[in-house]
Amino acid sequence: DAGVIQSPRHEVTEMGQEVTLRCKPISGHNSLFWYRQTMMRGLELLIYFNNNVPIDDSGMPEDRFSAKMPNASFSTLKIQPSEPRDSAVYFCASSKTGGSNQPQHFGDGTRLSIL
Amino acid sequence: QQQVKQSPQSLIVQKGGISIINCAYENTAFDYFPWYQQFPGKGPALLIAIRPDVSEKKEGRFTISFNKSAKQFSLHIMDSQPGDSATYFCAAINSGGSNYKLTFGKGTLLTVNP
Repeated sequence: DAGVIQSPRHEVTEMGQEVTLRCKPISGHNSLFWYRQTMMRGLELLIYFNNNVPIDDSGMPEDRFSAKMPNASFSTLKIQPSEPRDSAVYFCASSKTGGSNQPQHFGDGTRLSIL
Repeated sequence: QQQVKQSPQSLIVQKGGISIINCAYENTAFDYFPWYQQFPGKGPALLIAIRPDVSEKKEGRFTISFNKSAKQFSLHIMDSQPGDSATYFCAAINSGGSNYKLTFGKGTLLTVNP
């Protein structure tokens, strides 16, 4: 089975540019999560979708961050305008709905560097 | 507020030795405690998990010990192998509340020397 697929794997861009990260969840999973990982803060949940609807976006750091899930097989995380402090590894994860009994499956992440 | 505290930050073990990673939590509503393993360039992957109604869970060389009264749990890796070298994260979740929300520890970088 294909796992969670994220693209691009690496992104280097200049401050002020728009950045779009993409995620394809595992087929049949109806929960999707975006995380950010940094050395200082560890793994942080940014936003959670269930059945394509944003349920919890309390982790989104600023209005510069936005996420969409137009259908069950695709989600985007957008940063506009980007800043150097946004540099991090961004992970997408998916699971079947059902709470803690349903493990979250992570993609391999997008390493974002903002110069 | 760090709700799950993990230690040590890094750990070096000889091949065949026992690796022990400890976590402590504050929120007594947490009722599911998974451990994730992350290799460089990869996302975290679920390794093993425990609920507080048992004090220990073993899967192969990996064992979780759980102390509910102390609000602590630990991962033991027996007969550690170089292939176990990775970053390990403990996590906690409240099944009755925001049951999707994993609270992660900061991670432990394990190096197993040959």
